[in-house]
Amino acid sequence: KAGVTQTPRYLIKTRGQQVTLSCSPISGHRSVSWYQQTPGQGLQFLFEYFSETQRNKGNFPGRFSGRQFSNSRSEMNVSTLELGDSALYLCASSLEGGRAGDEQYFGPGTRLTVT
Amino acid sequence: GDSVTQMEGPVTLSEEAFLTINCTYTATGYPSLFWYVQYPGEGLQLLLKATKADDKGSNKGFEATYRKETTSFHLEKGSVQVSDSAVYFCALRRRGNEKLTFGTGTRLTIIP
Repeated sequence: KAGVTQTPRYLIKTRGQQVTLSCSPISGHRSVSWYQQTPGQGLQFLFEYFSETQRNKGNFPGRFSGRQFSNSRSEMNVSTLELGDSALYLCASSLEGGRAGDEQYFGPGTRLTVT
Repeated sequence: GDSVTQMEGPVTLSEEAFLTINCTYTATGYPSLFWYVQYPGEGLQLLLKATKADDKGSNKGFEATYRKETTSFHLEKGSVQVSDSAVYFCALRRRGNEKLTFGTGTRLTIIP
């Protein structure tokens, strides 16, 4: 069974631009979560989607948004990029999400650099 | 709010040494606890987990026991290998919530 895939793997953008990152979960998984990883703040939860609905949201500004499609694939969008948005963005999927013992599987991440 | 505190790194050990990485947590209720490992250039891999007090998670020679009384989930391995060199993250997740709260990570380097 294929793992979680994320595209693109690397991205360079300029301040003020917007960016869209994509995540394809493991087949059959319906929950997709996104995390931001930076050297200063560590791993921080962005949001979770389940059945095309945002079910949980972290403490990030409104410039960060996401969506999920009927095939469970998810995208996240960051508008008006700032230098501090440079990070590794990780996507994780699980079967149903929110249940104890329901494992999350992470993708390799998208490395975003904002210049 | 929920938080996870783990041992500051980096940690450098010789091959076959005993490993302990400390992890304590603050959370209401009875969260599930996890250890994830991240190899260079890769995402996170689940190493082991425990979902209730006194549970012991184990995998690839690594072990951790959910201690409710000390709110701890320390990672141990009896004999480390060079291939164990990676960054290790302790994390918790509340029941009914998908959000993982992570510690800051501990970089482990094993010297042959």
